[in-house]
This record gives sequence, structure tokens and C-alpha cells, in this order.
Amino acid sequence: DAEITQSPRHKITETGRQVTLACHQTWNHNNMFWYRQDLGHGLRLIHYSYGVQDTNKGEVSDGYSVSRSNTEDLPLTLESAASSQTSVYFCASSDHTDTQYFGPGTRLTVL
Amino acid sequence: GEDVEQSLFLSVREGDSSVINCTYTDSSSTYLYWYKQEPGAGLQLLTYIFSNMDMKQDQRLTVLLNKKDKHLSLRIADTQTGDSAIYFCAESRDDKIIFGKGTRLHILP
Repeated sequence: DAEITQSPRHKITETGRQVTLACHQTWNHNNMFWYRQDLGHGLRLIHYSYGVQDTNKGEVSDGYSVSRSNTEDLPLTLESAASSQTSVYFCASSDHTDTQYFGPGTRLTVL
Repeated sequence: GEDVEQSLFLSVREGDSSVINCTYTDSSSTYLYWYKQEPGAGLQLLTYIFSNMDMKQDQRLTVLLNKKDKHLSLRIADTQTGDSAIYFCAESRDDKIIFGKGTRLHILP
């Protein structure tokens, strides 16, 4: 069955380190998204991509970057992790109806 | 405003109906969605409604859409303990989805 996976599921890192969170989908969806979820803020869009080599900034993109070298993967990189980036991160992909399908999430703690 | 608004909490007795309400902002949204998030898991699509529909029913779930008032509701009939979760309302906008902050549904015995 087609699916969307994220790795790692949990990560603890230190301030200033570079961290990359992986997202992989097997639906062959063109559109992929990264969100962070924090209490009181709901889901906030970090970056999104409409296809290979396409990336766009969302509402909270500072300190994050993405790259899209193939259809299946959209890795999210924190260039220099900060404590404010402690959160749960969700990746999603969408079909032609704009319906988004979510991964299981990565819980990131920055100490 | 630009936000999708929904109340943060709802408590319902087991066996009763739950009604979760939402107001959205973009009258041109093509699709409106309800997602469910259980503890420690990602968001799971429950149902969606096309903007030219007023109602959609799927087993215990009923979605009502009032385009004039930009109001969307989700009714869960015969609420069960497994329905305890956070429910997110969302609208499609510019090829993206805008989410509300979620309503936490608590089931009372």
C-alpha cells in the first residue's frame, strides 16, 4: 500500500547543530508539505513543494530549508537548531483534490 | 480575519451526539475538510465536502456546510470512547490547506 513515512520519529539534538528530518511518500504525489505543531498554534506551514526542484516558503520558514530532488522525498533541514524549534513536525502530501495525507510525525527536542 | 476558527474543547457523554463547529474565511475554497488526530499520531482525513454541497453523510459522521455564513460542522452520532481525539477543520486555499487550531473532544462516561 502507498504510504508516507517520516524518520526519525524522535530526535534530541543540541542548539546550533544541523538536523535533517526525512519524509518519503509512495503515492507519487506532486505536492508535499512540512508543518510544525505546537500547543496554542495548531499546525503552521513551514515549506512546501509542488514538484521536483520547486520549493516555497510557508508562514514560519525562518531557520528551515527544504530540497526536492525527486518526487518521493522532501527532507527538512534545520540549519542551526534553536530551542524555539522544539516541536512536533509533520510531513504531508496531497492529491489532485488538495486532500493532504499526513505522516506519523517527528518529535524534535532541541536542548 | 484570515483564520479558520473553532472552539478548543468539547465534552460529550458517551452515546450522545457530538457537534463540532468551525468558521472559515475564503468563500472561494473548493474543499473543506475534517481531520482527526489521536494522541501521538499524525492527522487522519475523516471526510471532506465539496463547496457546492450542503451536506455529506458517512456512517456516523454528518458534515453540514453553510456557505452564506462560511460555517462548517461535524456531527458524530452515538459518540464512543474511540472518538476521543483532536478534530481539525480546514479549508483549501491557493493549493494549500489552512487548518484551524483543533477541537479536543473529551468523552464522559
